[in-house]
Amino acid sequence: DQQVKQNSPSLSVQEGRISILNCDYTNSMFDYFLWYKKYPAEGPTFLISISSIKDKNEDGRFTVFLNKSAKHLSLHIVPSQPGDSAVYFCAASGAYSGGGADGLTFGKGTHLIIQP
Amino acid sequence: DTGVSQNPRHKITKRGQNVTFRCDPISEHNRLYWYRQTLGQGPEFLTYFQNEAQLEKSRLLSDRFSAERPKGSFSTLEIQRTEQGDSAMYLCASSPSLLGRYGYTFGSGTRLTVV
Repeated sequence: DQQVKQNSPSLSVQEGRISILNCDYTNSMFDYFLWYKKYPAEGPTFLISISSIKDKNEDGRFTVFLNKSAKHLSLHIVPSQPGDSAVYFCAASGAYSGGGADGLTFGKGTHLIIQP
Repeated sequence: DTGVSQNPRHKITKRGQNVTFRCDPISEHNRLYWYRQTLGQGPEFLTYFQNEAQLEKSRLLSDRFSAERPKGSFSTLEIQRTEQGDSAMYLCASSPSLLGRYGYTFGSGTRLTVV
């Protein structure tokens, strides 16, 4: 049972435009959400996070939005750059959420391709 | 600080053999985690340590898997009697204490292929 779902396996966006990556979750015990970026042959790299008490968090070109009532979050990248081409994982944590008290539950990832 | 280091990067083994992977976390990090990632999936939590104590194990960690973290420094993950289904990327991560669930640093992983 996938508790964190990323329904788009891939997304293609033109350089300079906005990239929007979506994530849905089912477990109401999740109270912290993270986005990781992964290049081939490397481990995931932490990108940005948001607590469930907020609905938006911004860091440079990256903004994460959280809609608790819809159990949905999204990552916006503006403007998109060629170096943003990677797999993006949505992850969630929360006490007794199934990933261990300190573990993360990941989605399957979305492969973002930035086209010149 | 060179980040989280994992060795070997790649391991090919025959079914039924035992394999051991090593993870060296960031030196000041107390918490160390093991994850497994198979093709087309996100990383899946296996287990984690607070210093040398193994605090939690996922149901994914069958009795053929064992992890240790002697002296609270590096960690090893051993798989006994490997099966083809064990083929995956094994990721290690570390974090400062109390901040684990807020994001941690991953290593580059060990890719295991069981033939």
